[in-house]
Amino acid sequence: QQQVKQSPQSLIVQKGGISIINCAYENTAFDYFPWYQQFPGKGPALLIAIRPDVSEKKEGRFTISFNKSAKQFSLHIMDSQPGDSATYFCAASIVTTGFQKLVFGTGTRLLVSP
Amino acid sequence: NAGVTQTPKFQVLKTGQSMTLQCAQDMNHEYMSWYRQDPGMGLRLIHYSVGAGITDQGEVPNGYNVSRSTTEDFPLRLLSAAPSQTSVYFCASSYSPGTPSSGNTIYFGEGSWLTVV
Repeated sequence: QQQVKQSPQSLIVQKGGISIINCAYENTAFDYFPWYQQFPGKGPALLIAIRPDVSEKKEGRFTISFNKSAKQFSLHIMDSQPGDSATYFCAASIVTTGFQKLVFGTGTRLLVSP
Repeated sequence: NAGVTQTPKFQVLKTGQSMTLQCAQDMNHEYMSWYRQDPGMGLRLIHYSVGAGITDQGEVPNGYNVSRSTTEDFPLRLLSAAPSQTSVYFCASSYSPGTPSSGNTIYFGEGSWLTVV
């Protein structure tokens, strides 16, 4: 079954702290794992993504950790800032019938307190 | 460069009414899609298109109709609106079916909030 489970549903972190969001998937055919950031009233925007043959990817304060054997991946936001307050979605990608289909997690609402 | 433009931003419909959500992109992208976002369920794929004249169903296509007569436009039609279709709808487009590792990015519009009463 194509499903991506995401936790926690909401998260409150103090400014300067580390935010951690976890996701798990079932379908081993997924070939890419992006994270999207969504601000209120806006559409999701690609934040960072990782291939399943890589265990970690870092871009600035954002890091994805990927555990292929456990079928789990997580987003770490270092030195969290109030501007990071948004909803974060993990996703898993699979290309079928010539189209990249995204299966999204249920989202995590992050609030970074000043 | 406007990117992906969705109209209307907000709409209230009565049960049984029909309407069309418009989506246009100015990036010459072949690949376009519609997602709906519901609380606690993330985004789910409704329909997608890999080019003008070619459409296919996604995960939750029932109650929706699409067509792709031009590269730029991909409208989503609700044939007979139901309260279960109350949702936020996002249109997305990309240059290719590839992943970000190949330089491809999926761009989302800002959403259309639909309420069916």
